[in-house]
Amino acid sequence: DQQVKQNSPSLSVQEGRISILNCDYTNSMFDYFLWYKKYPAEGPTFLISISSIKDKNEDGRFTVFLNKSAKHLSLHIVPSQPGDSAVYFCAASGSDGSRLTFGEGTQLTVNP
Amino acid sequence: GAVVSQHPSRVICKSGTSVKIECRSLDFQATTMFWYRQFPKQSLMLMATSNEGSKATYEQGVEKDKFLINHASLTLSTLTVTSAHPEDSSFYICSASGTSGVRTDTQYFGPGTRLTVL
Repeated sequence: DQQVKQNSPSLSVQEGRISILNCDYTNSMFDYFLWYKKYPAEGPTFLISISSIKDKNEDGRFTVFLNKSAKHLSLHIVPSQPGDSAVYFCAASGSDGSRLTFGEGTQLTVNP
Repeated sequence: GAVVSQHPSRVICKSGTSVKIECRSLDFQATTMFWYRQFPKQSLMLMATSNEGSKATYEQGVEKDKFLINHASLTLSTLTVTSAHPEDSSFYICSASGTSGVRTDTQYFGPGTRLTVL
């Protein structure tokens, strides 16, 4: 039972344009959501997070949007840069904040 | 800050041998450490959670006698894959969370260990 799903395994975007990565979840007990970035043969690195009491969180070029009613979140990167090319995982946790459930990841490629 | 290291980064072993993977938090005290496994093009699957000085809590379907986890100090956790078989070949990643000096709402991941069992 995949409780966190990233339906797009890959996304290709031109440099300077917006990248939109999507994530859906099924467990209504999730109330904290995170995005991680992962390069090959490396561990994921934390990018940005959002609590369920918010619907938007922004950090520089990265913005995460949360639609609780639709159980959907998205990560916007603008402008996209070639160095953003990586696999992006969304993750969710419950109120204890410890146990993370990950999506399958989306490979983002930003073309120069 | 919040650096987590893993050793070794890559290991190849024969079937039937045991392999130990170390996970260290270098600049913070990791009250909780997590071990994940990732198959190609798949999500990170949580194997177990360990708190310093306590027995690890294993996820459903993970054999605790096969994947031995020790979290003896606030900076070190080890995962031992006992009697490894080819199906244990995978990318193993640890993460750590702390309560002081780091964000408390996320986990910090190590670089991973690629295990290949021949």
